[in-house]
Parts: sequence; structure tokens; C-alpha cells
Amino acid sequence: AQTVTQSQPEMSVQEAETVTLSCTYDTSESDYYLFWYKQPPSRQMILVIRQEAYKQQNATENRFSVNFQKAAKSFSLKISDSQLGDAAMYFCAYRSRNNNDMRFGAGTRLTVKP
Amino acid sequence: DVKVTQSSRYLVKRTGEKVFLECVQDMDHENMFWYRQDPGLGLRLIYFSYDVKMKEKGDIPEGYSVSREKKERFSLILESASTNQTSMYLCASTETQPGPNEQYFGPGTRLTVT
Repeated sequence: AQTVTQSQPEMSVQEAETVTLSCTYDTSESDYYLFWYKQPPSRQMILVIRQEAYKQQNATENRFSVNFQKAAKSFSLKISDSQLGDAAMYFCAYRSRNNNDMRFGAGTRLTVKP
Repeated sequence: DVKVTQSSRYLVKRTGEKVFLECVQDMDHENMFWYRQDPGLGLRLIYFSYDVKMKEKGDIPEGYSVSREKKERFSLILESASTNQTSMYLCASTETQPGPNEQYFGPGTRLTVT
């Protein structure tokens, strides 16, 4: 079974600075999807960014970008110009191309300091 | 916008009670999921459904059952609530079409069993 590991339970960043959240995963498959989700305090989980494994180019969404290293099975999230509203739990998730259920990591709680 | 709603944000039940958690989505999604979220463990899949009246066990189905009588509604049932089922419960839905489809989440139900 696929597993997703987020080795940083907590991270903090100064407002306007850059922070990188780590994620590694274990799979024997070659075609899959990776996601980062954000869960703000007492609010719904929302998608931040997604990556298709067969695409070599790293995904970007405004201030959010990923560093996808397929061989290393690593999928880190970089948040540039951090804002107070970025404070949340961030979950890394894996989904096989052939089914619809996702595997989530344990999460990283990000604190943004003003 | 996709909307996933859950019947309660907070719920307190007694040990041994039968508990129903309801989830409704308005985007005609085929797939629906129930997760529980615990600190340090991330999201763990309890059950999912890929069609009306269809259900599949996830990683931690023990003590739970589900019902999907209509496409938009997916219910999680705790037949006899126990204190170790105190947790945050998240419902999600997604479409079946190929691709990196995101899961859309409800706001969660924080269940306390005393």
C-alpha cells in the first residue's frame, strides 16, 4: 500500500518569507497524482496545488509551487511571500491513477509570524 | 462552486448510542468518502462509495457502516459509539472522469463520545 510521510509536524515562517514543506511517498506505481491540501483553523480543507507524475514540469499556483522529484519520491511545497492567511494545516496526498481513494500524510502545521 | 455539507459541526454522544453522520454534495459526483482525522495520523479512510448503493471498506472500517441510497447523500453510521471513536469526521466527494481530480471536502463533524 502506498504511504505518505510528512516529517515536519510543525513549521513556522516570518511573514513575507519563504517556507518549504516536505513530503515523501512510497509507491511501486509509475503513474499517479500528488496533491497539497490546506486546512485553515476551523475551516474546510481546500486544494492548494496538484501534480501529475508523468509531467516533469513542477506545478505552480501563484505563490505556491512544488518541487517534484519522482526518482526520490519527494513532493515538497514552497510558499513564497508568506501571508498571515497561509497559517493552516497542510496535508500532502497521493492518488493512484487507477482508483479514486487518496492517501494522506499526517500533516504539517504552519504558523506565520507577523 | 462545489458544495459538500455535513449535518453537524459538533456532536456529543454517549457510549453505546447509535450515531448518524450525514453528508450531502451538490455536484453530482459519483464518488464519496468518509475519513476520520486525528492529530499525528492525518486523514484515514473509513469507507467510500463509487455509486448509489455501492460501498467499499477503507483502512479503518471497524465499528462503522455506511449508507448511500441517493447519489448526493452518503451517511456514516456508528452502530454503538465508543470513546475511541471521538474524532473529527470529514466527508469528501469527487468525480470519476480520468485525471487529477481533487476531492472536495465538507466542513467536518467533531464527534465526542463520552
